[in-house]
Amino acid sequence: DAGVIQSPRHEVTEMGQEVTLRCKPISGHDYLFWYRQTMMRGLELLIYFNNNVPIDDSGMPEDRFSAKMPNASFSTLKIQPSEPRDSAVYFCASTTLLTRANYGYTFGSGTRLTVV
Amino acid sequence: AQSVSQHNHHVILSEAASLELGCNYSYGGTVNLFWYVQYPGQHLQLLLKYFSGDPLVKGIKGFEAEFIKSKFSFNLRKPSVQWSDTAEYFCAVNAGAAGNKLTFGGGTRVLVKP
Repeated sequence: DAGVIQSPRHEVTEMGQEVTLRCKPISGHDYLFWYRQTMMRGLELLIYFNNNVPIDDSGMPEDRFSAKMPNASFSTLKIQPSEPRDSAVYFCASTTLLTRANYGYTFGSGTRLTVV
Repeated sequence: AQSVSQHNHHVILSEAASLELGCNYSYGGTVNLFWYVQYPGQHLQLLLKYFSGDPLVKGIKGFEAEFIKSKFSFNLRKPSVQWSDTAEYFCAVNAGAAGNKLTFGGGTRVLVKP
């Protein structure tokens, strides 16, 4: 398996533009998580899905952020309009039900977003 | 709501020194505990995990962690660090009621000087 795949790896955009981040989870994983990492706030859970259904979106900062998971193999995180304070590394992670037998979350390589 | 505290934000030490990183969580019920490592420019990788049983857990690269239920702690240790252990380390907790949700601590940046 190629692991959790995120694209793009780097994104530089101007304030006010729409940004779409993409994630392909590991096949067979039925949980998908979006995290944001900044120096100030560390790792923050934005939203997570189970079987393509959003379960907890309480971490989504505001209405400018939206996430979808149209099928088991694809999810998007959209920011519209983007602002400089959205600059961060956005990680996607996937897992199955956490048990001793599995290994917790598998993280993607992240998307480094810079909004200028 | 569950929370995780890592009290050391930055640690600097020399090669061959011993390392201990603190992690405390706030949840009174059954928990599953994890340590992740993030090497510079890379994504998070699992170091070790605790679900039940022996409270002393051994992970990869010579790391171990001890679960002390009475102290709500899950400290990470390594007897002798190497320069390649320079990374950021995250403690995470999954509480029984939180389903598959992991809550991460703020991370500890470790710099090992050669």
